[in-house]
Amino acid sequence: AQSVSQHNHHVILSEAASLELGCNYSYGGTVNLFWYVQYPGQHLQLLLKYFSGDPLVKGIKGFEAEFIKSKFSFNLRKPSVQWSDTAEYFCAVNYGGSQGNLIFGKGTKLSVKP
Amino acid sequence: SAVISQKPSRDICQRGTSLTIQCQVDSQVTMMFWYRQQPGQSLTLIATANQGSEATYESGFVIDKFPISRPNLTFSTLTVSNMSPEDSSIYLCSVALGHRSYEQYFGPGTRLTVT
Repeated sequence: AQSVSQHNHHVILSEAASLELGCNYSYGGTVNLFWYVQYPGQHLQLLLKYFSGDPLVKGIKGFEAEFIKSKFSFNLRKPSVQWSDTAEYFCAVNYGGSQGNLIFGKGTKLSVKP
Repeated sequence: SAVISQKPSRDICQRGTSLTIQCQVDSQVTMMFWYRQQPGQSLTLIATANQGSEATYESGFVIDKFPISRPNLTFSTLTVSNMSPEDSSIYLCSVALGHRSYEQYFGPGTRLTVT
């Protein structure tokens, strides 16, 4: 079955530390990849997306993600986190351009200590 | 982007009753979707709300339990019928703004608790 795995349930970092959140998907065909972020008390926001082309994608607020097809991965990175990055991060995959269906990971809660 | 609102933001309901959740978008969109996020779980697509036709349901979800309306290009409703405690979840609507139906933007969600 098509699935998305986020390996870290809760990550705690100090400000200025580097961040990498893992995301793996289960299918080897065409995929469209997303990271969403949910700040405390706010709704899900699209952080970045990958459809094709350069596998290194830059999003808002200094985040980037790299699509590695051979590893079925789309990890999220940020070189230096801030307290304001405290949020829950969700990886989502659309398999084969299928109409509308986004498969979500369970999310990773990031806590950044000031 | 679009401004998406949902009503109610939260509710506590008794088992056996029904709740209708509204989703309003500030611009016309072709595709609207309804998701469920059960406690500790990821988001799961319930159905695609099609304007002018019946909703398309994902495996495991049926129209009798989750009837959906889509009267126009800016509005949709999801009803959770004959509720049980297992229906306690966050229900979210999303919209696709462009031609890619999988590039979706989400509303704030409705937190439902069934007692």
